Parts: sequence; C-alpha cells; structure tokens
Amino acid sequence: AQSVTQPDIHITVSEGASLELRCNYSYGATPYLFWYVQSPGQGLQLLLKYFSGDTLVQGIKGFEAEFKRSQSSFNLRKPSVHWSDAAEYFCAVLGGGADGLTFGKGTHLIIQP
Amino acid sequence: DAGVTQSPTHLIKTRGQQVTLRCSPISGHKSVSWYQQVLGQGPQFIFQYYEKEERGRGNFPDRFSARQFPNYSSELNVNALLLGDSALYLCASSSNRGTFYEQYFGPGTRLTVT
Repeated sequence: AQSVTQPDIHITVSEGASLELRCNYSYGATPYLFWYVQSPGQGLQLLLKYFSGDTLVQGIKGFEAEFKRSQSSFNLRKPSVHWSDAAEYFCAVLGGGADGLTFGKGTHLIIQP
Repeated sequence: DAGVTQSPTHLIKTRGQQVTLRCSPISGHKSVSWYQQVLGQGPQFIFQYYEKEERGRGNFPDRFSARQFPNYSSELNVNALLLGDSALYLCASSSNRGTFYEQYFGPGTRLTVT
C-alpha cells in the first residue's frame, strides 16, 4: 500500500524568504503525486501535480515541485513566500485504479513578518 | 463556474444517531470521492463513485455508506455515530474525461458527535 510522509509538522519562514516543504512517498510503481493547500475553514486547493515527463512541475501561486525517483521525494518549493501563503500543506499520492488519494499528515506553514 | 458544494456546513449529532451529508460536483464531473479529515491529520479516503457505481472504498466500517445520483451529486451516510466520527468530511469531484487524477475539493462539512 502506498504511503506519504511529511517530516515537518510545522515550518516557520520569514516573509520574502524561500520555502521548501518535504514529502517522501512509498509506492511500487510510478506514482501520481500532488500538493494541496488548505487554509483555515477552507477545502483543499490543488497547487500542482506530477504524472510523468518533466520532473520539475510548476503550479499555481508561484509554487513548484521536483520529483526525484531515486529519493522517493516530491518536495514543494517557492522562491519568496508571502504572508498569504500561511496555511496547511498536504502532499498526496494516487496509487492507481479506483483508489483514492493517500495524504500525508500535513505541514503547517507559519509566515513571520 | 461553481465549484464543489457541500451541505450542511456544520452539524452536531449525538452518539448512536445517523447523519447524511450531501455533495454536488463541478458541472460536467462524473466522479465523486469522499474523505474524512480528523483534526490535525490529512484526509483519509472513504469512497469513490463514478457514473453512479462504487469504484473504490477505503478502510472504513460498514456504518459508512454512500450513493451517487443520476445528476452525479452524492450522499454520504454514517449510521450509529461514534465520538470518533467527529471530523471534517470532504467531497471531491473529478473530470468526465476518464481521469480520476485531478480531484477538486469542496469546503467540507464539519460533523461534531457529542
């Protein structure tokens, strides 16, 4: 069965600084990988996805992620964070077939002024 | 375009009661999935429906059931509620192009069981 690990429960970053959120997955075949963001009281918003091809994927809101098969990782990055980026970030993997998404436990991002 | 809508927004139930949650997918989407998100955790997959048929089920007891209607809206039912069923229930819809991979989530229904 597939699994996702987000090692950092909380991350604090200063506004304007760069950001990297870590995600490691476990899945036997080529995974379909996603990053979602959840603001308080909101549902999940899809930031970006990786299915195949170029291992560096661009998403919305200036986010990007890099798929590294050798490290089983799919880390999310942003060159300069804004206060509005404060939220909960979830990495997820789709195992294929009719299975649903398997999510990590999330990383809570705090932005310092 | 309207996104995924869910109703009600919040509800409070007592242990042992039954609850029905509703979801309307994005127009044109034929697949609906349900997830349970307990406080402080990531969402957990409960069900997926496509074209009114169950296509996948997560590791949840038989107290949880769902159905999809001809207009592709969906209901999630939970019987014999337990305190541990308190959670945010999220509905997600996927496009009608034969892919379930891009799932778009609604705002969720916050269920509190007392």
